[in-house]
Amino acid sequence: GQNIDQPTEMTATEGAIVQINCTYQTSGFNGLFWYQQHAGEAPTFLSYNVLDGLEEKGRFSSFLSRSKGYSYLLLKELQMKDSASYLCAVRDMGGQNFVFGPGTRLSVLP
Amino acid sequence: SAVISQKPSRDICQRGTSLTIQCQVDSQVTMMFWYRQQPGQSLTLIATANQGSEATYESGFVIDKFPISRPNLTFSTLTVSNMSPEDSSIYLCSVEGSSREQFFGPGTRLTVL
Repeated sequence: GQNIDQPTEMTATEGAIVQINCTYQTSGFNGLFWYQQHAGEAPTFLSYNVLDGLEEKGRFSSFLSRSKGYSYLLLKELQMKDSASYLCAVRDMGGQNFVFGPGTRLSVLP
Repeated sequence: SAVISQKPSRDICQRGTSLTIQCQVDSQVTMMFWYRQQPGQSLTLIATANQGSEATYESGFVIDKFPISRPNLTFSTLTVSNMSPEDSSIYLCSVEGSSREQFFGPGTRLTVL
């Protein structure tokens, strides 16, 4: 089976940096994905890690350690529009089973 | 990324009735996925729909309750049958991208009274 954990809520200040952690325990692994979901909208894809290390994409970076079952999403230069839920998702070895974590609700304050 | 549309965008239904949700993609895709997102919760995969074969359902979801059609490579439907208030949720379809990420449709917000 799969188990994914994330903090429920986080708060940060505009212009700051925030790190959202995700830990997972899976029977197989074929990639870890991060999504952003604004209230009332569908999730949108942010990043993908399948090998260990850091993937950088503008203000967003994602890190993966497969041996530790750990990932984080780093958001720099926070903006008010970054207030959203951030979902960590793992794909299993078969490649078809996509399991989402509970999501972290981030509030960016002025 | 694919452009995905869903109909209806929202509906309010009576207990015991059924609703069919349509998902249309602007390109041909092998697999389409159906998710449910209950209020305040994360996403749960209901089933994977391949064209020309039976859908594959995840644990806790059955074909009698959530029948799925996949008549061609750009279209799928999900029916929520014999609805109860517990079925009130957002239903999303998705397709796979080049990095195996999921691209989601806008969702169908269902309220069952």
